[in-house]
Amino acid sequence: ETGVTQTPRHLVMGMTNKKSLKCEQHLGHNAMYWYKQSAKKPLELMFVYNFKEQTENNSVPSRFSPECPNSSHLFLHLHTLQPEDSALYLCASSHLSGITDTQYFGPGTRLTVL
Amino acid sequence: AQSVTQLDSHVSVSEGTPVLLRCNYSSSYSPSLFWYVQHPNKGLQLLLKYTSAATLVKGINGFEAEFKKSETSFHLTKPSAHMSDAAEYFCVVSDAGGTSYGKLTFGQGTILTVHP
Repeated sequence: ETGVTQTPRHLVMGMTNKKSLKCEQHLGHNAMYWYKQSAKKPLELMFVYNFKEQTENNSVPSRFSPECPNSSHLFLHLHTLQPEDSALYLCASSHLSGITDTQYFGPGTRLTVL
Repeated sequence: AQSVTQLDSHVSVSEGTPVLLRCNYSSSYSPSLFWYVQHPNKGLQLLLKYTSAATLVKGINGFEAEFKKSETSFHLTKPSAHMSDAAEYFCVVSDAGGTSYGKLTFGQGTILTVHP
């Protein structure tokens, strides 16, 4: 449960605010991921970082800006969000080994955009 | 291309009775398959994983799943449900497809309700 931590757990923000979500993994992994979980929809992959380099941007609007300063930390910077961006944002990490790697998830940040 | 279909959006069982959550997948490569569980206001927890070893996979909390290639299925079962099993369950497929990581595709989820 403590392998991947996310802060804050809950966030309420207005459309003009700027905020950041933080993810930290304590598992020695080298890949990190951001997912969006909206009601009634499957999990959507947003971004992937391998060895601190972004390798996937799944057509995410520019109002979401990720940052990966090192293999243990991942941020998601938010600005001028829309109400439809309200969702649970999940961070995950995995160890790249050339085959399919198990992803371990954090508890998520519940974001509400007013 | 890969996809996964969870055949039931809701499953309701009585405590002590068997659980069956159904999942069918589609993959262009030899897939890896996962089941994750999500309790309310929590992240996803890995239940079990199939990666081309034994077709019957045992996971945590008494859950197991059987990979059936001919049926493209990976159903999750448990012999006896417990109240604490009430949660949402996700079937996930991944094929490496030659990349250095496997992109995960999630099913829509099945909400399991357990009655006393």
